[in-house]
Amino acid sequence: ETGVTQSPTHLIKTRGQQVTLRCSSQSGHNTVSWYQQALGQGPQFIFQYYREEENGRGNFPPRFSGLQFPNYSSELNVNALELDDSALYLCASSLGSLRAETQYFGPGTRLLVL
Amino acid sequence: SQELEQSPQSLIVQEGKNLTINCTSSKTLYGLYWYKQKYGEGLIFLMMLQKGGEEKSHEKITAKLDEKKQQSSLHITASQPSHAGIYLCGADSGGYQKVTFGTGTKLQVIP
Repeated sequence: ETGVTQSPTHLIKTRGQQVTLRCSSQSGHNTVSWYQQALGQGPQFIFQYYREEENGRGNFPPRFSGLQFPNYSSELNVNALELDDSALYLCASSLGSLRAETQYFGPGTRLLVL
Repeated sequence: SQELEQSPQSLIVQEGKNLTINCTSSKTLYGLYWYKQKYGEGLIFLMMLQKGGEEKSHEKITAKLDEKKQQSSLHITASQPSHAGIYLCGADSGGYQKVTFGTGTKLQVIP
């Protein structure tokens, strides 16, 4: 196990609702990245937080937002949910934000939007 | 933007057989990761390759990076049912730590 935990494990929402997903990083890690993995696809990078600041963002609309707290835990918020938001959401923590820092992934939160 | 193509998309092998999975990048590879994922679960880090020609092994899994070909291969020797899962390659694709992933190779090992 990596020491990265996510909650909840599963979630069902309806279109238009808002959702908050949580991630607890591995001890000592100050960087967290969030990914969306649709069924049968590889994970897609949403954004990264380094020391409580957004450090980079993928091709996702502003209704995907995040927070990182002083203890380096993190939240992913998605507003105005759409059916296509149904996916496995993964967070990954690492010690730094530079290239080639190994990211350790949590088990994911499976979100279903009806 | 960088794209990673994995081949094959799926693989069924008899226990004890060797197999190879390939990952080809559309751009220069600066860092290449291999992860394993069991269905619906998080990614398990296998290894990271950074330099052309680099080769790393962990138990019965060996990965190589061919920088010139912008390609990496993952080789499993004497496969076991515990090797079954989805293998994903990922590449550094930004100044910060953004990883672009391939679509994965689904491996089944038949006892």
